[in-house]
Amino acid sequence: DVKVTQSSRYLVKRTGEKVFLECVQDMDHENMFWYRQDPGLGLRLIYFSYDVKMKEKGDIPEGYSVSREKKERFSLILESASTNQTSMYLCAVEPGASGTYEQYFGPGTRLTVT
Amino acid sequence: RKEVEQDPGPFNVPEGATVAFNCTYSNSASQSFFWYRQDCRKEPKLLMSVYSSGNEDGRFTAQLNRASQYISLLIRDSKLSDSATYLCVVTPNQAGTALIFGKGTTLSVSS
Repeated sequence: DVKVTQSSRYLVKRTGEKVFLECVQDMDHENMFWYRQDPGLGLRLIYFSYDVKMKEKGDIPEGYSVSREKKERFSLILESASTNQTSMYLCAVEPGASGTYEQYFGPGTRLTVT
Repeated sequence: RKEVEQDPGPFNVPEGATVAFNCTYSNSASQSFFWYRQDCRKEPKLLMSVYSSGNEDGRFTAQLNRASQYISLLIRDSKLSDSATYLCVVTPNQAGTALIFGKGTTLSVSS
């Protein structure tokens, strides 16, 4: 089984703070993703990475950056948190074995920005 | 046109009922299809992949109609534990490409 962990389940931050969300996988999978999920909007892709130090913007990258210094760890950074970044943040890993493309999610971080 | 469309529901059914969810997708280049299940305040979990020939996993049957760009999920003999949101997911089948999620269909099974 693919195991994905995220650093916090719940987080409360103030407007303007720099926020780090971490995601760690227990295997050597290359592809990792950050999504946010909001009521009525579904899951939206923020960034993804297909290898160490490689990153690609998703659909809503504004206000976010990412870091992948080691294969097992993919961090999402909110440079200056704003209230509209209050959301559920989900990290996913794509094992990509044998031509299958399903993704496995971590438990999520529910971030509240006040 | 939205990329993946689902009826949001909610579907309220009694235990033992059969319920079907439908999903349409707009990108004809989509190659892989999945159903995920998401419990309240939890992460989405892969329920099953959807194959062209249709596939079954216990009480769950998934079907794909490429010509109509339509995916379905049938749940037979519903259990209380089936209550969740079911997400239809498609992808163009390239490694490192984001999954495209529908907004989900909510199922509530009551006794």
